[in-house]
Amino acid sequence: SQKIEQNSEALNIQEGKTATLTCNYTNYSPAYLQWYRQDPGRGPVFLLLIRENEKEKRKERLKVTFDTTLKQSLFHITASQPADSATYLCALDINQAGTALIFGKGTTLSVSS
Amino acid sequence: NAGVMQNPRHLVRRRGQEARLRCSPMKGHSHVYWYRQLPEEGLKFMVYLQKENIIDESGMPKERFSAEFPKEGPSILRIQQVVRGDSAAYFCASSPAVGSSSYNEQFFGPGTRLTVL
Repeated sequence: SQKIEQNSEALNIQEGKTATLTCNYTNYSPAYLQWYRQDPGRGPVFLLLIRENEKEKRKERLKVTFDTTLKQSLFHITASQPADSATYLCALDINQAGTALIFGKGTTLSVSS
Repeated sequence: NAGVMQNPRHLVRRRGQEARLRCSPMKGHSHVYWYRQLPEEGLKFMVYLQKENIIDESGMPKERFSAEFPKEGPSILRIQQVVRGDSAAYFCASSPAVGSSSYNEQFFGPGTRLTVL
């Protein structure tokens, strides 16, 4: 069955630095991969989607890469701010029809000022 | 444009009672998904519905759990004879129809936190 892992449960960095989060998956070739942000007591919020034929995608201070050979996605937040502190979830589609998602457990990012 | 709405936000039930969780998708969205998040666990897919149809229920427990998305009204996740292990946050998400540029994005509600005593 598909397996998705986010390698760090927690990541602590200083304000202004770049945060890099990793997502690895096995036993699957997803059509796309997504990143979500979740704050305590709230539902996940969609951030970025990257398709299998895309190497990199950017949105403001966010950048996502997708290496289908390594079966890995990297999520970068540049010039990090304390407001970026949250749990970040990696997700991929369960089937090629692009319906339900399988999520990683998330990485909790703490940005200190 | 209101986002995905879920109610109640918090629900307390005693073992053996029934729990009904409601989800109203975003306006114009025809796809609804239910996920469960246990403490210290990731989000787990339960069921995917379109209006009046269950498309994928591969994540639903075989017993006590059911879901519907009627032609009119919200989607309902129903848990019969709840047990302590059902205590979790239940999230609903919606997405627009196939063909929309944001079809693959899922918009989540705030969740319903179920506590079984």
